[in-house]
Amino acid sequence: LAKTTQPISMDSYEGQEVNITCSHNNIATNDYITWYQQFPSQGPRFIIQGYKTKVTNEVASLFIPADRKSSTLSLPRVSLSDTAVYYCLVGGSGNTPLVFGKGTRLSVIA
Amino acid sequence: DTGVSQDPRHKITKRGQNVTFRCDPISEHNRLYWYRQTLGQGPEFLTYFQNEAQLEKSRLLSDRFSAERPKGSFSTLEIQRTEQGDSAMYLCASSLPGQGGSYEQYFGPGTRLTVT
Repeated sequence: LAKTTQPISMDSYEGQEVNITCSHNNIATNDYITWYQQFPSQGPRFIIQGYKTKVTNEVASLFIPADRKSSTLSLPRVSLSDTAVYYCLVGGSGNTPLVFGKGTRLSVIA
Repeated sequence: DTGVSQDPRHKITKRGQNVTFRCDPISEHNRLYWYRQTLGQGPEFLTYFQNEAQLEKSRLLSDRFSAERPKGSFSTLEIQRTEQGDSAMYLCASSLPGQGGSYEQYFGPGTRLTVT
């Protein structure tokens, strides 16, 4: 699976938009980009997935440029409860085992 | 609650003892995965099942580790002769059969193992 690089940590104030960028220079043609969120002492939770351009759901947006070598997770108007670790993963279909990096630790400050 | 459940949530054991963890997946999910997570790291894949068949095992899964999924329902992960390095959170996840672009795995709350 393609290796991903993302910032170790980020801080944000409540109510701001947060953008977390992930680099995946070796992404393969059939790879999808998926983001998971993990709170302390809980298992990761699926947030969003995309292949190209933009995907939006009730929680976040995912922006993927044409070359697909990076992606940006956008969290609108974050609150304290969005404090968590966010993982970017790339891989193909078929629900094969996930390969997690260290993730980005987002801290939202009041 | 129809999510993935794991039991126990916490386990403290002495080095050299055997421990067994249980995972109950979402009922209609035929794929079940085990991951291990240490402090400050992302989860690492250990093994996964499709129904009762164990399809893949990671190099992390030493011969002291064994996993089963009898009848394709719940799964157990056993660690024999525990070592302090086995201290970690053990996560279970389940999913539906592979679909195009579908990568959503549903994780349980984990079992935190502490080996003293």
